[in-house]
Amino acid sequence: AQKITQTQPGMFVQEKEAVTLDCTYDTSDPSYGLFWYKQPSSGEMIFLIYQGSYDQQNATEGRYSLNFQKARKSANLVISASQLGDSAMYFCAMRLTQGGSEKLVFGKGTKLTVNP
Amino acid sequence: DADVTQTPRNRITKTGKRIMLECSQTKGHDRMYWYRQDPGLGLRLIYYSFDVKDINKGEISDGYSVSRQAQAKFSLSLESAIPNQTALYFCATSDLGGGGNQETQYFGPGTRLLVL
Repeated sequence: AQKITQTQPGMFVQEKEAVTLDCTYDTSDPSYGLFWYKQPSSGEMIFLIYQGSYDQQNATEGRYSLNFQKARKSANLVISASQLGDSAMYFCAMRLTQGGSEKLVFGKGTKLTVNP
Repeated sequence: DADVTQTPRNRITKTGKRIMLECSQTKGHDRMYWYRQDPGLGLRLIYYSFDVKDINKGEISDGYSVSRQAQAKFSLSLESAIPNQTALYFCATSDLGGGGNQETQYFGPGTRLLVL
């Protein structure tokens, strides 16, 4: 089955420290995309970072980096130098395209709390 | 101004009523999507459209219908609302598939729907 698993319902980190949010995925398709989104308490979904299945290098966007380990089917999000404003829900998602149809699968999310 | 807007932002309705949620985008993207978010279940795809003449069912389309009135507008209808359709609904857009970051989906602010 094609699915995304986020095993950490909640995570806590001290301000200015780094934190890793886990994401594993399951698919037999050779071509897929992996995304991370942030959802603050206000509810909007904010795109953070993208990794393509054929990308040779790990994606980075400012303080966000994606630790992509294809053989292990993991796509963990690393947030460096955590800030209080990073407290939010974080969702990992996988996009699949099969025979012209599209499927986007989201994990159940991880709630990150940054402590001062 | 926001690139993806949703109206209304909040809606309370009664069982059996027909309601429409609207989505507009100024990003010039061809692809548009409707998702619902339930606590503990992440986001699930309801319908998606690759262009004005293309409508596709997602994971949970039963009880919903959509209309793509123009490239920039994609509406979601609940023909006869029921309480288990109470959820947070998101519209999203993405560029025509070209791989890489073009696959990124950008979300609207969400519509909170309560069906009594």
